[in-house]
Amino acid sequence: DTGVSQDPRHKITKRGQNVTFRCDPISEHNRLYWYRQTLGQGPEFLTYFQNEAQLEKSRLLSDRFSAERPKGSFSTLEIQRTEQGDSAMYLCASSLAAGRPSGEQFFGPGTRLTVL
Amino acid sequence: EDQVTQSPEALRLQEGESSSLNCSYTVSGLRGLFWYRQDPGKGPEFLFTLYSAGEEKEKERLKATLTKKESFLHITAPKPEDSATYLCAVLNSNSGYALNFGKGTSLLVTP
Repeated sequence: DTGVSQDPRHKITKRGQNVTFRCDPISEHNRLYWYRQTLGQGPEFLTYFQNEAQLEKSRLLSDRFSAERPKGSFSTLEIQRTEQGDSAMYLCASSLAAGRPSGEQFFGPGTRLTVL
Repeated sequence: EDQVTQSPEALRLQEGESSSLNCSYTVSGLRGLFWYRQDPGKGPEFLFTLYSAGEEKEKERLKATLTKKESFLHITAPKPEDSATYLCAVLNSNSGYALNFGKGTSLLVTP
């Protein structure tokens, strides 16, 4: 399977704990995105990388959230001191840098986070 | 501020009963409008990109159209396997590469 993969698929944690999610994009894609989705809502943009550079961050991304993409390959999203409001599906997507706007973002299966 | 509104929120169709889903938008400088399909517990699956008013794209039983204010996703003779949530998203001239999604339309097609 050459699609976007995410690990873990499910994570249950207690409030106050730190969690880290991993995303492996489609191998030739140089753009990588993180979104968050809650029940009944569309995905909300969190942050975006081109290669290893983090170029955009949403104001939704509080100081407790940090994302990295070392060497422009896989990416990690860490949430420190989790809160119950962090419970959501965290989606990763990737795309190619091309002439047209890169709306053709290909999504992974997501990591469902539950904070107790 | 950009707004993307999808209607209806939910739609139930009999197999073979054609219908349309609506996505209305207000954005400053549309760079593209995108349709995705999302099955329960999975990530969105890309369907179409539309860039300018008057553009149309087709894939199997689905056809997407775009005007200056809205987009329609027409479903012709749907089958139960078309049941899913259909999401609309826009890119505008100020949003960089962040897709702005609507809440989606949940479609159920019954045999």
